[in-house]
Amino acid sequence: NAGVMQNPRHLVRRRGQEARLRCSPMKGHSHVYWYRQLPEEGLKFMVYLQKENIIDESGMPKERFSAEFPKEGPSILRIQQVVRGDSAAYFCASSYSRQIWQSGNEQFFGPGTRLTVL
Amino acid sequence: KNEVEQSPQNLTAQEGEFITINCSYSVGISALHWLQQHPGGGIVSLFMLSSGKKKHGRLIATINIQEKHSSLHITASHPRDSAVYICAVVLNGGSQGNLIFGKGTKLSVKP
Repeated sequence: NAGVMQNPRHLVRRRGQEARLRCSPMKGHSHVYWYRQLPEEGLKFMVYLQKENIIDESGMPKERFSAEFPKEGPSILRIQQVVRGDSAAYFCASSYSRQIWQSGNEQFFGPGTRLTVL
Repeated sequence: KNEVEQSPQNLTAQEGEFITINCSYSVGISALHWLQQHPGGGIVSLFMLSSGKKKHGRLIATINIQEKHSSLHITASHPRDSAVYICAVVLNGGSQGNLIFGKGTKLSVKP
């Protein structure tokens, strides 16, 4: 049973380009969470999705960032017109249900995508 | 003030030493995670606990809900334990499903 998969692992973009980060949750998981880790800072919540629905996007910047989790395929975090400040590690996590405080329902993390904006 | 505070920020130990990393939080929580992150690497969940104590190998995690405090202990530390250890909490009710993280404790174990 593969864990949470993210690709690419490293992504380099020039300012103004678009970045697409993909996350395939663990088998059987339908809840996906995106987190961002800026250099020298802690992880911060961005968005929580369940299949075809955005449940909570309170941590997403209002502009240029969007996320989706279609019925088929991976979850996508999309950053349009990237700027240098977007350089960070982006982690995806998945869970079986939203009761993530219950043993067996906790979040499992992917390896992250390290985005560098030149 | 951050909702989740960890101490120390940095910790250097000699191989074999007993290590303690602390986490204090100021909000009501349903559960607390201890996570491990190696340099340039992904994040591994070590423990999730909501009460008492859990042990896995040389790692022990404890939580005191009344005092809003958790500790991660490493016995007989080894250089391969060198990593960043992150405390993360699930808010009470967890209605939004997201975690709130401490800034991490960077541990370096010297041979």
